Amino acid sequence: GAGVSQTPSNKVTEKGKYVELRCDPISGHTALYWYRQSLGQGPEFLIYFQGTGAADDSGLPNDRFFAVRPEGSVSTLKIQRTERGDSAVYLCASSLTQGRDTQYFGPGTRLTVL
Amino acid sequence: RKEVEQDPGPFNVPEGATVAFNCTYSNSASQSFFWYRQDCRKEPKLLMSVYSSGNEDGRFTAQLNRASQYISLLIRDSKLSDSATYLCVVNPPGSYQLTFGKGTKLSVIP
Repeated sequence: GAGVSQTPSNKVTEKGKYVELRCDPISGHTALYWYRQSLGQGPEFLIYFQGTGAADDSGLPNDRFFAVRPEGSVSTLKIQRTERGDSAVYLCASSLTQGRDTQYFGPGTRLTVL
Repeated sequence: RKEVEQDPGPFNVPEGATVAFNCTYSNSASQSFFWYRQDCRKEPKLLMSVYSSGNEDGRFTAQLNRASQYISLLIRDSKLSDSATYLCVVNPPGSYQLTFGKGTKLSVIP
C-alpha cells in the first residue's frame, strides 16, 4: 500500500519568508509525528499528533513553528519568518496508533533557506 | 551527556566481514529501543526492535544491556547492500517520540 508522502520534496526560500510543508500519513494511521534532520545528525522530534490534537509539541524550537492536522489525517508544518538555521530535512512519520507501534517515515522535505 | 550516543564511524569493512556497532543511552527509565537504517538522502526505516533477551533477524543480531545502558547491533557476512547509516533509537519514558543518535556510517567494500 501507499506509504507516507510529503510535499514538496524540495523547497528553496529566502530568509524571512513563510513556508508550509505537507504530510499525508498512511491511511488509517491515527498518530503523526514531525522530525527535523540537519546534516550529519539524527532526526530530532518536533511535534506529535494523536488524531486532530497536538499531544506533544515540546520539540518545536520556537513560536515561528506551528503544525496543524485539522481532520486527523493530512498535517501541515508551518514556519514563519524563516531563518538560515531552519535549513534541514523535515521528516514526517505515522503509526497505526499512539504508543509503541512502528513509526513509518516519509521521504522528507528538504528545506533550504537562502 | 547526549541522550543517545553512537560512534559516527565511518566503518569500512570488506564483504563477508562481521561488524558491530554500539550505542549508549542516558535515561535509565527508557522503555523501547530500535535500530533504524538510513540510506543516503532517504528516510529512516526500521531495521529491528531491540529486546532485553536479545533478538536475531537473519544476519542481524541486536542486544540490550540495561545495566550498562547500551545497545548493540551485529551484522554478520556483510553485503554491499548493507552500506548505509545505522541509527540507534530510544523511546524516552512517558513519551511516544523517538530519540535518535547521530548514526554510524557503514561502507561495505567489494
